Amino acid sequence: GQQVMQIPQYQHVQEGEDFTTYCNSSTTLSNIQWYKQRPGGHPVFLIQLVKSGEVKKQKRLTFQFGEAKKNSSLHITATQTTDVGTYFCAGLSNDYKLSFGAGTTVTVRA
Amino acid sequence: EAQVTQNPRYLITVTGKKLTVTCSQNMNHEYMSWYRQDPGLGLRQIYYSMNVEVTDKGDVPEGYKVSRKEKRNFPLILESPSPNQTSLYFCASSQAGTGGIYEQYFGPGTRLTVT
Repeated sequence: GQQVMQIPQYQHVQEGEDFTTYCNSSTTLSNIQWYKQRPGGHPVFLIQLVKSGEVKKQKRLTFQFGEAKKNSSLHITATQTTDVGTYFCAGLSNDYKLSFGAGTTVTVRA
Repeated sequence: EAQVTQNPRYLITVTGKKLTVTCSQNMNHEYMSWYRQDPGLGLRQIYYSMNVEVTDKGDVPEGYKVSRKEKRNFPLILESPSPNQTSLYFCASSQAGTGGIYEQYFGPGTRLTVT
């Protein structure tokens, strides 16, 4: 079945630095979604990418969907303490099954 | 207010005692789904439903049942809970269309402990 791998599992970042988290799927995806979960909270939707090669930006966050629709990345510039949390990618297959990556947990050093 | 509600929020039970976790959404969403979250494993989909009376297995359906008799409700049933089902459970809903599913709205979570 479909598997979505996400790396790194943990990211410790100095405030102001940039970082990237990556997702790779074993199969071609219909679309990919990204979520953020704060400690003790529930996942909150960030963005959805549908088209091959698509790039979307939300302020300091840049999301990319690979040309083959099997990989995606989230890049955060100038990390702030508000960026703390776990970021998940979720790949949708043709049968509407959604597979989440294991998440990247981000901590920020002030 | 648009929301997904789950009940109970916390539950401690014993092995073999049947339980139901309810999930309800007020956004008229077609797609509903149940996930379990365990440390280091992310969210794993248990079951999902594209519409009333339509349910499909996710990645980890063993030991769980669901039903979708009404569009707004999607209860998760554990007929005979076991300790390996101790986890944090999330229900979610979203609109669905020919392009797939869209932004998922998650409930607050149900922390289940099976002793």
